[in-house]
Amino acid sequence: QQQVRQSPQSLTVWEGGTTVLTCSYEDSTFNYFPWYQQFPGEGPALLISILSVSDKKEDGRFTTFFNKREKKLSLHIIDSQPGDSATYFCAASRNSAGNKLTFGIGTRVLVRP
Amino acid sequence: GALVYQYPRRTICKSGTSMRMECQAVGFQATSVAWYRQSPQKTFELIALSTVNSAIKYEQNFTQEKFPISHPNLSFSSMTVLNAYLEDRGLYLCGALTGTNERLFFGHGTKLSVL
Repeated sequence: QQQVRQSPQSLTVWEGGTTVLTCSYEDSTFNYFPWYQQFPGEGPALLISILSVSDKKEDGRFTTFFNKREKKLSLHIIDSQPGDSATYFCAASRNSAGNKLTFGIGTRVLVRP
Repeated sequence: GALVYQYPRRTICKSGTSMRMECQAVGFQATSVAWYRQSPQKTFELIALSTVNSAIKYEQNFTQEKFPISHPNLSFSSMTVLNAYLEDRGLYLCGALTGTNERLFFGHGTKLSVL
């Protein structure tokens, strides 16, 4: 059973537009939710993260929203740039240390100029 | 910033042979190291979590006999894939956990191909 579901699997956005990625999870004990960005041939880089005590966290053009009641989270990328083209993974863990992360399957994002 | 180096970046081994990969934390002390595998068409699978001064914890479907891990100090870890076969192909990622903000930082990974 997939514990962290991520959608869509792929997404194309025009430059300047807003990219929206979503994830849902089953385990109510998850309390730490990072988003990772991965370029081809590279390891995943931590982009932004949120704890379950918060409902929103913003870092530049990247904002993550968290809805504890619905067990959902999302990543919004405003003013999307071609350099944002990558695969994005949401993840979850039961502690803020994030050392036992459960990952979603990833969303491949293409930003067209 | 925190850097995690993995070596080698890519490797090819013959079926049935073994391959060792290394992970080095630079600029910080890694209290824990998590080894993941990203297989084709799959997301990340946690292989094992190694914490200094604690026993290495392997996840289901992964064993010490197949993936022995060494974690001798706070900046270095290595893992070997013994008797590699096609199903062991993938990108092996080392994630190092810092003691200060407890965030997991990954290296570039070691891409393993098996002939």
